[in-house]
Amino acid sequence: NAGVTQTPKFQVLKTGQSMTLQCAQDMNHNSMYWYRQDPGMGLRLIYYSASEGTTDKGEVPNGYNVSRLNKREFSLRLESAAPSQTSVYFCASRIGQRTDTQYFGPGTRLTVL
Amino acid sequence: AQSVTQPDIHITVSEGASLELRCNYSYGATPYLFWYVQSPGQGLQLLLKYFSGDTLVQGIKGFEAEFKRSQSSFNLRKPSVHWSDAAEYFCAVGGTDSWGKFQFGAGTQVVVTP
Repeated sequence: NAGVTQTPKFQVLKTGQSMTLQCAQDMNHNSMYWYRQDPGMGLRLIYYSASEGTTDKGEVPNGYNVSRLNKREFSLRLESAAPSQTSVYFCASRIGQRTDTQYFGPGTRLTVL
Repeated sequence: AQSVTQPDIHITVSEGASLELRCNYSYGATPYLFWYVQSPGQGLQLLLKYFSGDTLVQGIKGFEAEFKRSQSSFNLRKPSVHWSDAAEYFCAVGGTDSWGKFQFGAGTQVVVTP
């Protein structure tokens, strides 16, 4: 049982390049989330997927797109990377009930030059 | 709108001393509150959570937190800190919608000195 996995762990991009961050969970969770973490700002929600087939914007969605490929996988795409998107990105999942816990992946550290 | 404030950006504590991390929240109804810990280079791990009932919540690693509705606070405590407790700690409040749009505080960095 691997929990929540993310690939890659590290990535360096040049401004304007595109890339996709991958996230998968093996806990049969319904809901999945993408956050970014920046110093002094905690975690901010980018997009979330309440259930397979649905996605919604979070607090900071601009510059990102997501795909809920199936129940296990939720990817985050940067179409044209900008230096402001340099951050650590975390994927999380949870069963989907109101009060249960979110489980986090190990993160992807992205640098945009 | 929900919000979370962690007033202390950085705390230094001696090993064996007690630790208290502050968390204040703003929320219209009964909040769902969480404390997470993040070790360097790692993801977030849940320490404890409060939904209802007893306002003193016990968590893992010897941590506890107390929900005080009158003060809109959910402070985290540990009686005796170990060097392995050096990490960043995040308070979070959960949404009343069923999709779990958590609001996280900015975090408190804890440094443990010998």
